[in-house]
Amino acid sequence: GQSLEQPSEVTAVEGAIVQINCTYQTSGFYGLSWYQQHDGGAPTFLSYNGLDGLEETGRFSSFLSRSDSYGYLLLQELQMKDSASYFCAVRDRNDYKLSFGAGTTVTVRA
Amino acid sequence: GAVVSQHPSRVICKSGTSVKIECRSLDFQATTMFWYRQFPKQSLMLMATSNEGSKATYEQGVEKDKFLINHASLTLSTLTVTSAHPEDSSFYICSAKGGDYGYTFGSGTRLTVV
Repeated sequence: GQSLEQPSEVTAVEGAIVQINCTYQTSGFYGLSWYQQHDGGAPTFLSYNGLDGLEETGRFSSFLSRSDSYGYLLLQELQMKDSASYFCAVRDRNDYKLSFGAGTTVTVRA
Repeated sequence: GAVVSQHPSRVICKSGTSVKIECRSLDFQATTMFWYRQFPKQSLMLMATSNEGSKATYEQGVEKDKFLINHASLTLSTLTVTSAHPEDSSFYICSAKGGDYGYTFGSGTRLTVV
């Protein structure tokens, strides 16, 4: 099975940088994904890391270290609209299932 | 890009009745569909995996007779919550394997059982 750990909440001001860490344990790792979810909405895909290193997509970047079973999502130039829950998720190589972490609630203050 | 249309977005039903939730892949074939349940302020918990033309595989602790899943075509999967009770009130989300990012999520269904 899989287990993922990430902080429960983070608060920051507009324009700041936030890093959300995620550590995982899995029997068949295939990749680490990040999703954003606003209240009442469905998860939306942000980033994916299949190999070690940094992936940059606009203001959001994601990092993976497979040897450390660790990744992070970096949110730069925070905006009020970034207030949401962020989930890391690992994909199992055998059955394509996505297992989600508990989620990190990011609150952006003016 | 790939789209999964999920309906209804919100439903209120009386205790003891059944509710059907539909997920349709609009521009791709969804051979595999995942069904999740999410309680407020919690994570997405996988309930079951359905493959077109096969019986669904349920996660441990999920009652297959209560949550009926049908995946009769490559574009449609349904989840029926039978004999719903207030504790079944939750946010249900489908996700199809496929699309630009590997998985395409539906918009979710907010079920309230009164």
